[in-house]
Amino acid sequence: GAGVSQSPSNKVTEKGKDVELRCDPISGHTALYWYRQSLGQGLEFLIYFQGNSAPDKSGLPSDRFSAERTGGSVSTLTIQRTQQEDSAVYLCASSPGLAGPNTGELFFGEGSRLTVL
Amino acid sequence: GQSLEQPSEVTAVEGAIVQINCTYQTSGFYGLSWYQQHDGGAPTFLSYNALDGLEETGRFSSFLSRSDSYGYLLLQELQMKDSASYFCAVRDNYGQNFVFGPGTRLSVLP
Repeated sequence: GAGVSQSPSNKVTEKGKDVELRCDPISGHTALYWYRQSLGQGLEFLIYFQGNSAPDKSGLPSDRFSAERTGGSVSTLTIQRTQQEDSAVYLCASSPGLAGPNTGELFFGEGSRLTVL
Repeated sequence: GQSLEQPSEVTAVEGAIVQINCTYQTSGFYGLSWYQQHDGGAPTFLSYNALDGLEETGRFSSFLSRSDSYGYLLLQELQMKDSASYFCAVRDNYGQNFVFGPGTRLSVLP
């Protein structure tokens, strides 16, 4: 696709259930980022990937959160035993990586809005 | 630690000029980016400064002073459609990560 694609766009779940959020980055982009944004707030860094490896997982809020990336492309963010405080918009972004002139630009998807009841 | 500061809200009228400031403290620094986000939308890239000075892109300009750990976004000839949240973001950790500021909500009045 032409842009970053995220699914589902909306997810309503019950407290305690597991959820998976998917991100399909722009083809050829080696870097992939996950952020979380609560209503009216800034972007909270969660994790980023360079290729399939995640050099920085420092933003994951707890061990209920995990993420993987396969084939240097699609990434999945998994939240286990969801809590109400997990409700937010989860944004994925990709970039060409360190190489290239536009090294300051992230390309964002539309986000997955998670509501935990 | 890493921290970025921005004003929480700015209000201006159509046709005016507004400046949104950003100060940062990070463990490493590669460059400063600016993003625009309309309500319910995704952040979109506006500009990036890796070196000191002013970068101009149409009605928008961005400035960086590395020695002062400070930058700003300048919006000229404001239009109603510029009403949005604006985020500065530092590329740090040897250029591999982006840390975002809390955002500035700009309201443009007729």
